[in-house]
Amino acid sequence: DIQMTQSPSSLSASVGDRVTITCRASETINNFLNWYQQKPGKAPKLLIYSASNLQTGVPSRFRGSGSGTDFTLTISNLQPEDFATYSCQQSYSTQYTFGQGTRLEMK
Amino acid sequence: EVQLLESGGGLIRPGGSLRLSCAASGFSFRSHAMSWVRQAPGRGLEWVSSINSEGDNKNYADSMRGRFIISRDNSKDTLFLQVSSPGVEDTAVYFCAKGHGRFDYWGPGTLVTVSS
Repeated sequence: DIQMTQSPSSLSASVGDRVTITCRASETINNFLNWYQQKPGKAPKLLIYSASNLQTGVPSRFRGSGSGTDFTLTISNLQPEDFATYSCQQSYSTQYTFGQGTRLEMK
Repeated sequence: EVQLLESGGGLIRPGGSLRLSCAASGFSFRSHAMSWVRQAPGRGLEWVSSINSEGDNKNYADSMRGRFIISRDNSKDTLFLQVSSPGVEDTAVYFCAKGHGRFDYWGPGTLVTVSS
């Protein structure tokens, strides 16, 4: 299976900051990479698909980039509602796999 | 508005069986692939299984093949997951999600607890 590794595992930031989360695949996945946001006790929400495409309704302060094995999710001008856990997921292989998640906490 | 609502979770003894359901509304259910994804307490997301729109093409995570069966009833806009002979490691919140590969809508999940 393709392993997805996120870094950091947790991150502290303040409202208005810009943060970057990285996701690395154990082999090339082209741009078959999605990002999700999850708040405690809630279902995940799709933010970015195919590495850089913003899902409908997602604010433009979220940006995804990368291809091959290395990907990033950047959140600019952090808002209070952005503090959550973020997970990447590859869809290159039909054995879909997720990263372990990055918890974004308020400083 | 797309809505997905899982049901059927609860306490199950190791070696028992359970069928989870996911009622869909707000979109053309019969036109879309569907999936199950789970999350053990305090852990990350884990894909379980996906099924195509017609219900005749299914795939499973290798570690779950043979113990989980995905199915759907397009006449009732409902997705199912049959869980057989679960172990304590199958304790998790089970989410249904629209799509396969890319999961664009999710239900709130149903908790399955495997314990003797």
